[in-house]
Amino acid sequence: GQQLNQSPQSMFIQEGEDVSMNCTSSSIFNTWLWYKQDPGEGPVLLIALYKAGELTSNGRLTAQFGITRKDSFLNISASIPSDVGIYFCAGLFNNAGNMLTFGGGTRLMVKP
Amino acid sequence: GAVVSQHPSWVICKSGTSVKIECRSLDFQATTMFWYRQFPKQSLMLMATSNEGSKATYEQGVEKDKFLINHASLTLSTLTVTSAHPEDSSFYICSARYRSEQFFGPGTRLTVL
Repeated sequence: GQQLNQSPQSMFIQEGEDVSMNCTSSSIFNTWLWYKQDPGEGPVLLIALYKAGELTSNGRLTAQFGITRKDSFLNISASIPSDVGIYFCAGLFNNAGNMLTFGGGTRLMVKP
Repeated sequence: GAVVSQHPSWVICKSGTSVKIECRSLDFQATTMFWYRQFPKQSLMLMATSNEGSKATYEQGVEKDKFLINHASLTLSTLTVTSAHPEDSSFYICSARYRSEQFFGPGTRLTVL
């Protein structure tokens, strides 16, 4: 299906730094989901957002549902080596057959 | 929480054989499950939507006779790759909707020799 525009495609940062990634779309969504995928594994849900403007945290992770419903960002504070992986955003518009639309992913690499 | 399992986690087969992958929702019922395919360094591509008790809905470009989907119960969907060829080698991931969220299985790595 259609992909969201996710950026950056990759990041190589120093341990301890903060990370920010975002997704934008030309379509509105009712739900935004952020996943992390480790090599050889399925995506694991990190944060789910249900309302425009909503800001949700999960430990060192913070995500926001854009007020226009067309974008979302994910921040990771004080990165650690185990944050390495691929992060995907996904949008859901309930009338679209309940199908998720995925971003292209952000590959995060953390240097100890 | 909502847990989705897949079996097998990896499989190697000869060209021309068929391979069946199972997807189970362990602690919830899923009337709808989804099958994705992922190539290295790429995002997930939806192949089909599996509906319990009815025919699957395939995405454009996905051959329904090649990728047979059966969703016979509320906790099990299967994907059978028929007459597999090397180009079918990929990472196959299923997922299931639980309330407003979607949970993924751990994936199945298929290698066709």
